Amino acid sequence: QKEVEQDPGPLSVPEGAIVSLNCTYSNSAFQYFMWYRQYSRKGPELLMYTYSSGNKEDGRFTAQVDKSSKYISLFIRDSQPSDSATYLCAMTATSGTYKYIFGTGTRLKVLA
Amino acid sequence: ETGVTQTPRHLVMGMTNKKSLKCEQHLGHNAMYWYKQSAKKPLELMFVYNFKEQTENNSVPSRFSPECPNSSHLFLHLHTLQPEDSALYLCASSQGVYNYEQYFGPGTRLTVT
Repeated sequence: QKEVEQDPGPLSVPEGAIVSLNCTYSNSAFQYFMWYRQYSRKGPELLMYTYSSGNKEDGRFTAQVDKSSKYISLFIRDSQPSDSATYLCAMTATSGTYKYIFGTGTRLKVLA
Repeated sequence: ETGVTQTPRHLVMGMTNKKSLKCEQHLGHNAMYWYKQSAKKPLELMFVYNFKEQTENNSVPSRFSPECPNSSHLFLHLHTLQPEDSALYLCASSQGVYNYEQYFGPGTRLTVT
């Protein structure tokens, strides 16, 4: 079983739609949960992070972590064509052996 | 220059060539990383440096040889690569080696022929 599972997509939505991106994981030691956005021909950039469980909101973006289900989500409200990119989840455990694990990424296309 | 820069942006090399990738971070960070990104695969962490000392080597073949002369510069020396080594090689840095926030460069697209 992979440590982090992420649907690669592609996911196509109309402009203005609410987008839900998800990852599941198997290692209960993960504590920080990140979402990176990667535009074509660019490196990933950190979008949001959450420590442990709960929700975090930043503008049109909301990150959710459910540690009991080992499930994280990123919601994008009022999606825009400029949101078209690959979204990578990542998580890290800092106790014991250092781990920083990425998902495969979900390719999102927002249609104008 | 700001952030994390990488050169060259594109590289085509034969299996018998020797080449080097360069990364420079202008963020004052202490930790630097090399990642490999292949299609439909998660980013693979290759090497981690903390204060220019290597702290992680994730079973990377010896044909990849990292070098970190100081906290701002990171190199990846390549020799006798295989076609399956073709990928996007990303450099990243962070304030501390266990920091959740990593800053990535634009990557070097490597093609091995």
